[in-house]
Amino acid sequence: GAVVSQHPSWVICKSGTSVKIECRSLDFQATTMFWYRQFPKQSLMLMATSNEGSKATYEQGVEKDKFLINHASLTLSTLTVTSAHPEDSSFYICSANPGHMSSRDTQYFGPGTRLTVL
Amino acid sequence: DAKTTQPPSMDCAEGRAANLPCNHSTISGNEYVYWYRQIHSQGPQYIIHGLKNNETNEMASLIITEDRKSSTLILPHATLRDTAVYYCIFLSNFGNEKLTFGTGTRLTIIP
Repeated sequence: GAVVSQHPSWVICKSGTSVKIECRSLDFQATTMFWYRQFPKQSLMLMATSNEGSKATYEQGVEKDKFLINHASLTLSTLTVTSAHPEDSSFYICSANPGHMSSRDTQYFGPGTRLTVL
Repeated sequence: DAKTTQPPSMDCAEGRAANLPCNHSTISGNEYVYWYRQIHSQGPQYIIHGLKNNETNEMASLIITEDRKSSTLILPHATLRDTAVYYCIFLSNFGNEKLTFGTGTRLTIIP
């Protein structure tokens, strides 16, 4: 199946600093990628839809100025958590769709990035 | 938002078939049923999807009722590595539609 990677797999940072998380589609191009957040013992919550070459679409309640998304190429989307605070500590997961024409598409997920803000 | 109902947890003995139910009574005619699972501290993994007909792949089988209001995911011979949270989702777009995750079913395989 299609492979999606994330980097870093985990990160610890001080409160007030910014953290960048990368999401890459390794063997396919993706015009659309999705960013999710998951708190302990909760389900995944969609944060935003990342569109190559255009602005991201944010879900209600997600601050676009705090969670900066850049989808600069067809294989890379980045999520930057600006001025991180302890309440931003979470598991961040991205997904992407290979867009195969011959079969129904599906989304493939990265392994996730665990962010801990001290 | 697309709404599914799943039992919060289930146990299954190792080697037995695990049958995970999902109710999706509001599903529309053009919406597919997708199943994903999430092993602890990992990203979700695609399992299988279907529209009307039953489907089978190397991981699982999917049984969809004739009225399409419910489905069952079957893991034929459960192993300890199948312990995970299983999510049932339905959507219509060809892949670029955002996925709405419910609470899922926490499946525990018992040795």
